[in-house]
Amino acid sequence: SQQGEEDPQALSIQEGENATMNCSYKTSINNLQWYRQNSGRGLVHLILIRSNEREKHSGRLRVTLDTSKKSSSLLITASRAADTASYFCATGGQGAQKLVFGQGTRLTINP
Amino acid sequence: NAGVTQTPKFQVLKTGQSMTLQCAQDMNHEYMSWYRQDPGMGLRLIHYSVGAGITDQGEVPNGYNVSRSTTEDFPLRLLSAAPSQTSVYFCASSYSPGVLALHFGNGTRLTVT
Repeated sequence: SQQGEEDPQALSIQEGENATMNCSYKTSINNLQWYRQNSGRGLVHLILIRSNEREKHSGRLRVTLDTSKKSSSLLITASRAADTASYFCATGGQGAQKLVFGQGTRLTINP
Repeated sequence: NAGVTQTPKFQVLKTGQSMTLQCAQDMNHEYMSWYRQDPGMGLRLIHYSVGAGITDQGEVPNGYNVSRSTTEDFPLRLLSAAPSQTSVYFCASSYSPGVLALHFGNGTRLTVT
């Protein structure tokens, strides 16, 4: 069963615009992670936010976490064509040895 | 430093055949795992291991076996391939059993006819 659900399933924007993707989950978590997958490749870890954090930045990425709403968002600012990929959220529970992935958001950046 | 290496990249099997998907990592990671990725289903955990000699089941373990005799290797065995096992398989590892920041291989695309 999927823990995280991403929204939207697909997003298409113009280069230079900001892209926002959302993830909702069902049970309490220890951390939430975001990954990127380019076509035909494995996933690449982008950023991790712990349950006691509300916001985290890494370069052009900003992640927020609202544990009361069981939701997270990933913002990519000043998008580039190279950001075209699928983006997945994944949740880890307290002491959990399993990371549960959502179904992903497919992001297309148009030049 | 190669990271996580999966072989083969592509494989076609007939129903009932068996095979082993190989996974090796050179980062001295204790945690290793196998996922399958299907359209519309995201990634689903098959089996995982928190160290040599220790394995456990994930969400979809039926039809698959694993073993972990060394820290570096975590092979996935398909016992009797079925068309439902057609998928892309990813091996991933992490330095922490708390599963922080998985490192993924580039996948094995398996087709069962």
